[in-house]
Parts: sequence; structure tokens; C-alpha cells
Amino acid sequence: GAGVSQTPSNKVTEKGKYVELRCDPISGHTALYWYRQSLGQGPEFLIYFQGTGAADDSGLPNDRFFAVRPEGSVSTLKIQRTERGDSAVYLCASSFDKATEAFFGQGTRLTVV
Amino acid sequence: GESVGLHLPTLSVQEGDNSIINCAYSNSASDYFIWYKQESGKGPQFIIDIRSNMDKRQGQRVTVLLNKTVKHLSLQIAATQPGDSAVYFCAERDSGTYKYIFGTGTRLKVLA
Repeated sequence: GAGVSQTPSNKVTEKGKYVELRCDPISGHTALYWYRQSLGQGPEFLIYFQGTGAADDSGLPNDRFFAVRPEGSVSTLKIQRTERGDSAVYLCASSFDKATEAFFGQGTRLTVV
Repeated sequence: GESVGLHLPTLSVQEGDNSIINCAYSNSASDYFIWYKQESGKGPQFIIDIRSNMDKRQGQRVTVLLNKTVKHLSLQIAATQPGDSAVYFCAERDSGTYKYIFGTGTRLKVLA
């Protein structure tokens, strides 16, 4: 596609459940980023992939959060045992390489009830 | 829908006037900076970027200024239009880690 695509656009889940959020980057982009944005805040870094490997996962808040990018394209952010505090918009971005500008998707709004 | 920038600083500008949005950054190792525009319910949209070896870059109706001495970035929008109303974020990229760190954001309101 022409831009970064994230699915679903909205996800409501119950506390304690497991969720997966998907990101389809721009074709040919090797770098992929996940961010989290709470209401009234700027995006907060979670993890950065260069190709298939996680080059920097220092932003993941705890071990309930995990992300994969097995073929160097699509990425999935996985959250186990969701908590109400996980409610936020999860943004994905990609760039051609680590030196060029990053383009964002529309985000997935996660609500934990 | 979600309201981005609910508690952010707000800049109100008359339509047709120029807007200046400021951003302070803290990491002297940052070598690349981007301004993003975010409308409510949407992801951040790339506006313009600048590398640390430059102090000014111009785009269509937008100019970014970088002052590395005082770690300050500004975005100037010429002839502000209603469609410019949004929250604007500056993002700095660390030259070592390549991750982007976002500023607090400024909400721009264009008054008709």
C-alpha cells in the first residue's frame, strides 16, 4: 500500500486478555518503529526494528509487551494480561532505512475495560 | 473521537498570519529532527525535517530553524490556513540509537 497500515483501528478488550496489533509498513522500508500515545501526550517510543531484529527494545514497559517482525516486513505487537493502564493509541512508523524520515500509520486505539 | 492535545499548550493565530511553534530539545547527541502534524484521531504526519549540520530548511509554506547552541527548534508556517489546525510535535533522533523522542506538542488553532 501507499502508507503504513495498522489493524485493527480500534480494539476493546477485557482486563487480563491477550491482544495482537498488526503493522504493515511501507513496502521496501527496512526500519520499523512502535510507539504508544496516551491522551494529551506525545508518542512514546516502545521498540525499533532494523530488518527482522529488534535493534532497540528499551521502551517496552515490561515483559507483558513483545513485538516481532519475522520476515522483515509486517510486525505484530503483542500484549499479554492486559491492564487498564495499557489503554492508549499504539502507533507504528516505518522508514526506508534508519537514516531517513519515519512515516506513521493511523494507529490502533486499544481500550482495556 | 479521540482529542489529541487535550492539555497541550495552545497557539491561536488569525487566518492568513504567520505561525511560529517552538520546541526545546535536551539531547546533544541528536542529529536529526522532524516536525509532525497530528490531527485528531490520526497518526502523526511528516511535515519537514532538518539535519544537525544545517540551521534552516524551507518547504512549501513551512520553514524549520535549528539552533544547536541553545537546543532549540522552531517551525514557521506562512499564511496560516484553517487546515493547519492540529497538534504539532517536534521529534529528535538520537544519532546512536536511531530512536525518535517526541516533544510535548503544541496545539495550533487557526481563527477565521
